[in-house]
Amino acid sequence: NAGVTQTPKFRILKIGQSMTLQCTQDMNHNYMYWYRQDPGMGLKLIYYSVGAGITDKGEVPNGYNVSRSTTEDFPLRLELAAPSQTSVYFCASSLSSGGALIETQYFGPGTRLLVL
Amino acid sequence: TQLLEQSPQFLSIQEGENLTVYCNSSSVFSSLQWYRQEPGEGPVLLVTVVTGGEVKKLKRLTFQFGDARKDSSLHITAAQPGDTGLYLCAGAAGGSNYKLTFGKGTLLTVNP
Repeated sequence: NAGVTQTPKFRILKIGQSMTLQCTQDMNHNYMYWYRQDPGMGLKLIYYSVGAGITDKGEVPNGYNVSRSTTEDFPLRLELAAPSQTSVYFCASSLSSGGALIETQYFGPGTRLLVL
Repeated sequence: TQLLEQSPQFLSIQEGENLTVYCNSSSVFSSLQWYRQEPGEGPVLLVTVVTGGEVKKLKRLTFQFGDARKDSSLHITAAQPGDTGLYLCAGAAGGSNYKLTFGKGTLLTVNP
């Protein structure tokens, strides 16, 4: 199993450009997440999905869009890149057991994005 | 909003020393997790604590969940350079068991 894979590893964008960050998991997990990590700020949830066709906003969704057409893929779209979106982006997935216990999240290696 | 405060923010120690890092909140969490993140990689789960007062050991790492389930600590005995990384605590946010709130982390450097 490859787990959670993300592409690209690194990208430089100019202000106003758009791009899609790709995320794929091969663990048949139903839940998937996008986080951004800024220095000294921990991880902030951007969007999440509880299954194909279902997405919802997290803590910091402005400037981003997502879609979930398959169980495996959860791309993150930046439409008009801004310097404030310079960050490291992590995709994660988890298997919902339907119980009350907190779920384990499995993270990809991240995409480092620089907007100039 | 449920916040998790981690301290210290940075910690640099020599190999062989012991250390404790903390994760505190004013809110009660049903459970907390600790993740370790190495440079250039995503976080990896170390442990989940569920019961107030619970203590879990993972080799040289000891995790404790506070009796009131508002705080947790991670103690490392005889730290090694391989322990270097960012230690993040996380709790389930807003009553769900899948949306996590993360602390800002403790960046640990263990010098040989």
